[in-house]
This record gives sequence, C-alpha cells and structure tokens, in this order.
Amino acid sequence: GAVVSQHPSRVICKSGTSVKIECRSLDFQATTMFWYRQFPKQSLMLMATSNEGSKATYEQGVEKDKFLINHASLTLSTLTVTSAHPEDSSFYICSASAFEVGLQADGELFFGEGSRLTVL
Amino acid sequence: SQKIEQNSEALNIQEGKTATLTCNYTNYSPAYLQWYRQDPGRGPVFLLLIRENEKEKRKERLKVTFDTTLKQSLFHITASQPADSATYLCALEGTALIFGKGTTLSVSS
Repeated sequence: GAVVSQHPSRVICKSGTSVKIECRSLDFQATTMFWYRQFPKQSLMLMATSNEGSKATYEQGVEKDKFLINHASLTLSTLTVTSAHPEDSSFYICSASAFEVGLQADGELFFGEGSRLTVL
Repeated sequence: SQKIEQNSEALNIQEGKTATLTCNYTNYSPAYLQWYRQDPGRGPVFLLLIRENEKEKRKERLKVTFDTTLKQSLFHITASQPADSATYLCALEGTALIFGKGTTLSVSS
C-alpha cells in the first residue's frame, strides 16, 4: 500500500522561530498533497492543498505568508510555520492521494503520522 | 456551508457488543463518504468508503450504511474488542475531504 512519512513527529520551539515539517510519499508519486491541522478533540481542518510544481491553494482564513508550503518534487511537500507563536501549537498532518498512480481504487487518502508542534 | 456532525463525542461499550456510530451532514450531496480510524497522536487510517448509490458496505467486522435521503451514515463494529478503542472520523468528499470531529469509542473487557 501507499506510505506517507512525516518528519519530525514532535518539535518544540521558541516563540518567533520558524519550523519546517516534511511530508514524503515513500513508494509512490503524489502530485497533490494536503496539509491539515488538528486541535485537541477537534476535527482535522484542511489548511492547504499542495500541488507539485505550482503554488499551494490555501483555505479561507489560513495565512499563506505564515504557513509556507513547498511541493518541489513528486514525493516531498514541506510546511514551514514562520514566526511561530503559542497559538500555532497543534497537530499538523499531511496526506496524499495515490489514486493517480493506481494504488487505490477509491478516493481514500493516506496520512502521515502527524507532527506535534509546541511553541513555547 | 457544508456541515458534518458526529453526534456522540464518546461511546463506551462492552466487549462483544456492536458499536454504532452516527455521521450526519447538511448542505451537501457528496458522491461518497469515508470512515477513518485515528489513534491518539497518530494520523488517520482509512477504513471504508461508501458511494451515494450504495446502501451498505462491509469489511470484516465493519459495516457502513449511507442514507442520502436522511443525509446520514452509520458505522457499525460487530463483536467489538478492546483493540477497537480509538476515535472514528467520517469524512465527506469535496474538493478535499471534510472531516467530522470524530467519536471516541472505548471498548471495555
């Protein structure tokens, strides 16, 4: 099956610093990856859709200058939280669809393990 | 706007019983609906997808129903086990998946 790897799984940083989270599709190429954020006991909220070779599409209310997304290759998308503040502390999860490469028959997404960001 | 509701935040049942989780949606007519399992501190894992023209779908001890008139999906786990304890999320197809808040199932032995 399709495997999505996310790194780091946990990161603690000081307020004002930037943090980069990587999302890799290990055994397939993903032209599209999705970044979600999840607060405790809340649903996954889509932040942006990352498209290989083009600009990401951000959801309403998500600051594109704060959450920088780069999808430079077919197997790697990165999310950089710039000038992080305590309110950015959350669980960030990426996902990818393997439908394009025939690894799945339906529209399910394969998720990474998530990255827990804590901003002090 | 599209809205998904998973009625119960938590559900506690005894081992061996059938767990039934509910997902309701409004202002939307999805072509399909999905169910995921999420363990604490982990990413969701896909379980089942059911299309609008399917009434019911089964996979081992799991069963999903989809009533487009009621705008509701039911997710059943039969012969539940403590290992089934997790949060279960329903998700609707859109330009990207839209998730409910989830129902946390606890199965006691």
